[in-house]
Parts: sequence; structure tokens; C-alpha cells
Amino acid sequence: AQSVTQLGSHVSVSEGALVLLRCNYSSSVPPYLFWYVQYPNQGLQLLLKYTSAATLVKGINGFEAEFKKSETSFHLTKPSAHMSDAAEYFCAVSKGGYQKVTFGTGTKLQVIP
Amino acid sequence: DADVTQTPRNRITKTGKRIMLECSQTKGHDRMYWYRQDPGLGLRLIYYSFDVKDINKGEISDGYSVSRQAQAKFSLSLESAIPNQTALYFCATREGAESPLHFGNGTRLTVT
Repeated sequence: AQSVTQLGSHVSVSEGALVLLRCNYSSSVPPYLFWYVQYPNQGLQLLLKYTSAATLVKGINGFEAEFKKSETSFHLTKPSAHMSDAAEYFCAVSKGGYQKVTFGTGTKLQVIP
Repeated sequence: DADVTQTPRNRITKTGKRIMLECSQTKGHDRMYWYRQDPGLGLRLIYYSFDVKDINKGEISDGYSVSRQAQAKFSLSLESAIPNQTALYFCATREGAESPLHFGNGTRLTVT
């Protein structure tokens, strides 16, 4: 079974500081991996996805994530946090051939002025 | 217009009532999903459908049922609502196995 672990349900960073949100997956084969963002009272929107092409994936709003097979990780980063980045972030995994997408429990990002 | 539309946006109902949440999409995707979101638990899959004739249970299907009336419509029903079904419900569509999910804006359901 595939699963996703997001370390840290809440992360606080200062405006302009590095954002690092952690995601580890368990899968016997390389999966498809996704990061989504949810702003208050909205649905989830895709930030970026990994589908076995480049291991460093660039997404919207300056976010990027690196797929590390040896560490089974897909951490999300942004060099400089902006106030508008305050939201909840979800990591998700889908294994090839499966139609289900499994989500992590989410990380709420707070950006401090 | 939104690609994935959920109705209603908010609903308050009483314990024991039957309730239906509706989802329609204009993306032309065969795959449709219902998720439930609870604080601290992320999103959990209730049901998913590959096409009109193919419906599958997710990890938390007990107490729920679905109907895929057409490629574009996928409804979720609570036959007899209970308070612990209070949650935010999302419908989503997907083009293929490598593709991301496209979400509606959610239905906030409160069962009193």
C-alpha cells in the first residue's frame, strides 16, 4: 500500500526566509508525486507534480520539489517566503496503474511579517 | 465557469436525514473522485469512478453511496447522516494515471 507522511502539521517562517515542507512516501515502485496548496475556503490547486522525468520539479509561485528515491522524499521548497504563501500544503502520491491518489495529512504554513 | 462544480457549497442537516451532494464537470474526464477533508487528517478517499459503469469504494466508504449518472456527473449520498460525517467534501476529476486531480470548491456539511 502506498502512503504519504508529512512531517510537521504547522510550520512558521519569517517573510523572506526559506520555506521547507517535508514529504516522505512509501512505495515499492517509483510513484507519481504531487504537491497541492489550499487557501482558506477554497479547493486544492496543483503546485507541481513529479512523473519520472526530471527529479527537480518546478511549480507555480516559485515553489520547487526534488524527488530523492534513496530517501523516498519529495520535499517542497521556496527560497523566499511571501505573505501570500500562507496556506495549507498537501503532498500526494499515486502509483502507476492505480487510480487512487493518497494524501498526506497536510502542513499549514504561517508566514510572519 | 468552474471546471468542477459542487452543489451545495454549504449544508446543515439533522442526524438521520438523507442528503445528496452533487458534482458536475466540464473537463471531459472519465475518472471522478469523492474525498472528505477533516482537520489534521488530510483528504481521505470515499469513492471513485473510472466511468459510468465502474464505481469503486475508497478507504472510508461506510455510510456513503454514490451514483454516476453520466460521464460528467457524480453524486455522493449520505443515507442517514450522523454527526461524525460533519466535514468538508471535495469532488475531483482526473484525466489519467499520471495526471493531477482537479478539484471543485468543496461542500461544507454540518450534521447536527
